[in-house]
Amino acid sequence: DSGVTQTPKHLITATGQRVTLRCSPRSGDLSVYWYQQSLDQGLQFLIQYYNGEERAKGNILERFSAQQFPDLHSELNLSSLELGDSALYFCASSVESSYNSPLHFGNGTRLTVT
Amino acid sequence: GEDVEQSLFLSVREGDSSVINCTYTDSSSTYLYWYKQEPGAGLQLLTYIFSNMDMKQDQRLTVLLNKKDKHLSLRIADTQTGDSAIYFCAESHNDYKLSFGAGTTVTVRA
Repeated sequence: DSGVTQTPKHLITATGQRVTLRCSPRSGDLSVYWYQQSLDQGLQFLIQYYNGEERAKGNILERFSAQQFPDLHSELNLSSLELGDSALYFCASSVESSYNSPLHFGNGTRLTVT
Repeated sequence: GEDVEQSLFLSVREGDSSVINCTYTDSSSTYLYWYKQEPGAGLQLLTYIFSNMDMKQDQRLTVLLNKKDKHLSLRIADTQTGDSAIYFCAESHNDYKLSFGAGTTVTVRA
């Protein structure tokens, strides 16, 4: 158990809808990362927050947004969903916001868009 | 990720050693990681190595880094059925994200 909690585990929704994925980092970790895992794209970095502030952005679509709250949990919002958004979404956390701080991953949220 | 390449499949007999290989393109990579993903689970950090090291050993795991050739390998000694999983190589450099390879599916046969 990595200590990173993601909810829900599974989510099935229709095209055009909006969903929110939630992540609680490991105790003491200030940094939260979101990754998308799909069969064709592999693991893609989406966005990172550190202590409530956005720190880095990767291949995140404009339809997607995220935030980190004062209690350090994070939410990833996906809107105007398309079939291609079906994927496994991982949250990871680390102590620091630097490249030498290993990431610990949650078990992911599997999103299916029908 | 296009910057990190791995072979897709490896089949190994129980009790033998497994060697998973990875190549990367960015010479400024500072840390290199190995993650394990079991079915239905997240990515579990196995080990990582700083780019100025050649080798790191942790119980049954040995990481070898050839910085000149940008080649990283993970050796699992005495491979067990519980080692069947997808293994991801990842690199980081002077930013905050990891670049992952496509993953190597390791199948351990009896």
